[in-house]
Amino acid sequence: GDSVTQTEGPVTVSESESLIINCTYSATSIAYPNLFWYVRYPGEGLQLLLKVITAGQKGSSRGFEATYNKETTSFHLQKASVQESDSAVYYCALGGNTNKVVFGTGTRLQVLP
Amino acid sequence: AQTIHQWPVAEIKAVGSPLSLGCTIKGKSSPNLYWYWQATGGTLQQLFYSITVGQVESVVQLNLSASRPKDDQFILSTEKLLLSHSGFYLCAWIRGASAETLYFGSGTRLTVL
Repeated sequence: GDSVTQTEGPVTVSESESLIINCTYSATSIAYPNLFWYVRYPGEGLQLLLKVITAGQKGSSRGFEATYNKETTSFHLQKASVQESDSAVYYCALGGNTNKVVFGTGTRLQVLP
Repeated sequence: AQTIHQWPVAEIKAVGSPLSLGCTIKGKSSPNLYWYWQATGGTLQQLFYSITVGQVESVVQLNLSASRPKDDQFILSTEKLLLSHSGFYLCAWIRGASAETLYFGSGTRLTVL
């Protein structure tokens, strides 16, 4: 079936360090997968961080980037220099069928000041 | 602007008791609506989706049911709660058939004792 596997948390990094949260997907029933990163900040609801619907393209938002790699079926989330305000839970998700979006387990990120 | 409201914010219920969770979308006509559930430490799982009034499709069987009595309302319910129903329930809608960005409510925390 369709599935998403991402870095198991919690992930702890110090402010200004670089970050990568891995995400790989399996899209057995979706011909043209769309890939997403959602984020839940403390005390807030789950919201879209970025999305990419075309293989080979890169999405970016709030200093985060992710490239849709069809060959390696990956969509890793990266940031060159994290801030304490980036502390949150990050979810990789797979879509392509408007009736179904599959999420990973979420990765809790803690950024130390 | 579209708004999504979920109720209640939290519930503590006894095993075997009934449950009804609600979700209302304002400012968007004929949205696709979704129920997601996340057990503590688990993955965000899609439970149901609905693309029109009166039509609901089940994605995962958890002894829960859903209904869409009005265009802007989505209800999740069960006659008898199980301990395994504990977790966090999220309602969401999709903005446009192809964009697939999910917009989530703030969620309901359910504890079954």
